[in-house]
Amino acid sequence: EAGVAQSPRYKIIEKRQSVAFWCNPISGHATLYWYQQILGQGPKLLIQFQNNGVVDDSQLPKDRFSAERLKGVDSTLKIQPAKLEDSAVYLCASSFGGSGETQYFGPGTRLLVL
Amino acid sequence: AQSVTQPDIHITVSEGASLELRCNYSYGATPYLFWYVQSPGQGLQLLLKYFSGDTLVQGIKGFEAEFKRSQSSFNLRKPSVHWSDAAEYFCAVGAWTNAGKSTFGDGTTLTVKP
Repeated sequence: EAGVAQSPRYKIIEKRQSVAFWCNPISGHATLYWYQQILGQGPKLLIQFQNNGVVDDSQLPKDRFSAERLKGVDSTLKIQPAKLEDSAVYLCASSFGGSGETQYFGPGTRLLVL
Repeated sequence: AQSVTQPDIHITVSEGASLELRCNYSYGATPYLFWYVQSPGQGLQLLLKYFSGDTLVQGIKGFEAEFKRSQSSFNLRKPSVHWSDAAEYFCAVGAWTNAGKSTFGDGTTLTVKP
């Protein structure tokens, strides 16, 4: 069974530029999560989707971050414009169901904003 | 709001020695509790989780954790550490209404001496 796929694996941009990350969850998984992990910290949930609907986005900086999961499968997270403090690893995870189900994580996208 | 504290930033143990990683949580109701391991190049993986029932939880790779409500703790243990256990370990707490919205601690880095 294929795991959670993310691309790109690494990205370097300058501040004020835009960037997009892509995630393809495990087949059949209804719930998809995006996390931000800053160096030296634990992952922080940015947004949680159930199929193509948003369950929670309370920690998503909506003035610059956006995410979509149009067909309830893969998802894109965008940052526009990027700030220096957005440098982090962006992790995507998926689970079969919702609350309490085991989350399976992708390898992450490491973003450096200069 | 829920929160997690992992008091030990870095722990070093000898191979074959026992291990205990500490985790203290704050949550107003019965929590969902998780331990994850993050190895370089291997992403984040669930070791075990507690929802209810037996307070001693068995996980993968020989790990176990004990939920102690009176101490608001969920410490991770392993009787004999292997060199391959060297990694970063994260404790997380999930809300009763949405365990997927987990709050992570800042992690404990485990080094294993030969």
